[in-house]
Amino acid sequence: RKEVEQDPGPFNVPEGATVAFNCTYSNSASQSFFWYRQDCRKEPKLLMSVYSSGNEDGRFTAQLNRASQYISLLIRDSKLSDSATYLCVGLNQAGTALIFGKGTTLSVSS
Amino acid sequence: DVKVTQSSRYLVKRTGEKVFLECVQDMDHENMFWYRQDPGLGLRLIYFSYDVKMKEKGDIPEGYSVSREKKERFSLILESASTNQTSMYLCASSVQGQPQHFGDGTRLSIL
Repeated sequence: RKEVEQDPGPFNVPEGATVAFNCTYSNSASQSFFWYRQDCRKEPKLLMSVYSSGNEDGRFTAQLNRASQYISLLIRDSKLSDSATYLCVGLNQAGTALIFGKGTTLSVSS
Repeated sequence: DVKVTQSSRYLVKRTGEKVFLECVQDMDHENMFWYRQDPGLGLRLIYFSYDVKMKEKGDIPEGYSVSREKKERFSLILESASTNQTSMYLCASSVQGQPQHFGDGTRLSIL
């Protein structure tokens, strides 16, 4: 199993749709998870941290499922500006560094 | 706000040259990282450092070396550049266990 794995997509959704991405991780001891957003030809930027209890930031909700070892990102009421690649981040198997997934591409159309 | 500054946005070098990519952060972060990002392969960790003069190999260290003489600066060195090292290079810094903050990236082309 890869250390951090995501469905690359692309996810093509209309404006206003709700879309969810999952990301699986292999290191069950990992305590730190994050979602990043990356626009084309730009650097990744932190979108939100993922807490055990789940957390919400406006239209974005992040969840952690330790039993199944995945984290999720839910985007409600999608906007055109949400079009980007979303990267999930977890700890590597050795526990020494954060590992990025390859990203899931979202395209929101009008 | 955390500021991670990479020395060049775009760089063109020739095969066999020794190439230096510089990264500076202003938040006194212990951890610094160098990644490369290629289409379809995502972000791949080259080297990282947890402290001054300390370095750890990432997933793809071959052909690269690093230097961390001061806490705020982490340099990536391509000892003898090759065309397969053409890529986007991203530097990041963080506090242990906290999210990483990235620089703008350097698009390096090796001709």
